[in-house]
Amino acid sequence: SQTIHQWPATLVQPVGSPLSLECTVEGTSNPNLYWYRQAAGRGLQLLFYSVGIGQISSEVPQNLSASRPQDRQFILSSKKLLLSDSGFYLCAWRTGHESSPLHFGNGTRLTVT
Amino acid sequence: SQQGEEDPQALSIQEGENATMNCSYKTSINNLQWYRQNSGRGLVHLILIRSNEREKHSGRLRVTLDTSKKSSSLLITASRAADTASYFCVASGYSTLTFGKGTMLLVSP
Repeated sequence: SQTIHQWPATLVQPVGSPLSLECTVEGTSNPNLYWYRQAAGRGLQLLFYSVGIGQISSEVPQNLSASRPQDRQFILSSKKLLLSDSGFYLCAWRTGHESSPLHFGNGTRLTVT
Repeated sequence: SQQGEEDPQALSIQEGENATMNCSYKTSINNLQWYRQNSGRGLVHLILIRSNEREKHSGRLRVTLDTSKKSSSLLITASRAADTASYFCVASGYSTLTFGKGTMLLVSP
């Protein structure tokens, strides 16, 4: 069966520090991968998605970047965090089929102080 | 990308009552999906309805889709306290799925 792992679960970082959040998927190959951010009490904002290794699409210009160094690994990064980067970050995967649902990780709660 | 917008933003009911949430979207879709999120957790897929379907059932869930009005509804029958969560719809295209702000459902014992 397929599983998705996302870590860390919580993170407190000072303004200006770098960020690296990692997401890995097991049990499937060539998944579509997604990074979402959810502000408190708000909906999900799509940040990045990837349909293959090295292929990254950005939905919102911002202080973050994403990379997909391996088929089932998706990394969210920042060189210098801003206060506004605080939020709940969710990684998700789905197959390439148009009826495939999204499968989410448990999320990372990031607080920038 | 297509976006779903849920209504109401918040809903408070008693156990045993039915809960109805609505969703509207703006463009043509392949399917519409509903997700649930417990506080502080990832989202869980509940049900998918294709654009050529009008109604679908799964356990206590009933979803309808009206493509002419670009709207969908999610009905949870005989609600339980454990149904307390936020519910999101997403009108799905091919590569991206964009979520609305969700409906926060509170079911009181």
